[in-house]
Amino acid sequence: QVQLVESGGGVVQPGRSLRLSCTASGFTFSNFGFHWVRQGPGKGLEWVAVISNDGSNKYCADSVKGRFTTSRDNSRNTLYLQMSSLRAEDTAVYYCARGPVEMATSQRGYFDYWGQGTLVTVSS
Amino acid sequence: EIVLTQSPGTLSLSPGERATLSCRASQNVSSGNLGWYQQNPGQAPRLLIYGASSRATGIPDRFSGSGSGTDFTLTISRLEPEDFAVYYCQQYGSSPLSFGGGTKVEIK
Repeated sequence: QVQLVESGGGVVQPGRSLRLSCTASGFTFSNFGFHWVRQGPGKGLEWVAVISNDGSNKYCADSVKGRFTTSRDNSRNTLYLQMSSLRAEDTAVYYCARGPVEMATSQRGYFDYWGQGTLVTVSS
Repeated sequence: EIVLTQSPGTLSLSPGERATLSCRASQNVSSGNLGWYQQNPGQAPRLLIYGASSRATGIPDRFSGSGSGTDFTLTISRLEPEDFAVYYCQQYGSSPLSFGGGTKVEIK
């Protein structure tokens, strides 16, 4: 069955960096685009970034542009979110989510499977 | 950016009752590219509806979606105990992707 497992969250000081990973199984990873979505404590959902199936197209939300970048390793079935210059407002649970196969090359899409999330806390 | 406004913020209903949730977009959502998600406390969201009205795999038929343009609705025909949760709409017709603020369906 489809599984997405995030890792790499933790407590980090403002201004520092952190890299999240999302390992996939149960399907052909290279056929799908992926998104990162975050949820601040007690808040709603915020789309963060997307990467196409082959990694050639990447887009980020304005709130993280220039600080966050997403990448993938199709040989390892793994997605990454590199976060730098972290701020207190980046504190959230970060989810990786799979896009629909028909939108594998697009920056758009809905999210048909989600990981369980990993908590990032930015605090001194 | 398309802003999605969900109403009501909280819906208090009893099991067996019908729930009607609204999602209004600030601009036209092209091709009905709108999804609905359910989220229970401490869990990841789950896709219910995509393309405004298509049920995702394994979703019971008591969940239905409708609408087009700027006005969309999620209907739960008869609430089961496991349906009391927070529901989000999401548009994917244009970038950046965006979510509504959520509607909490609580037990009356």
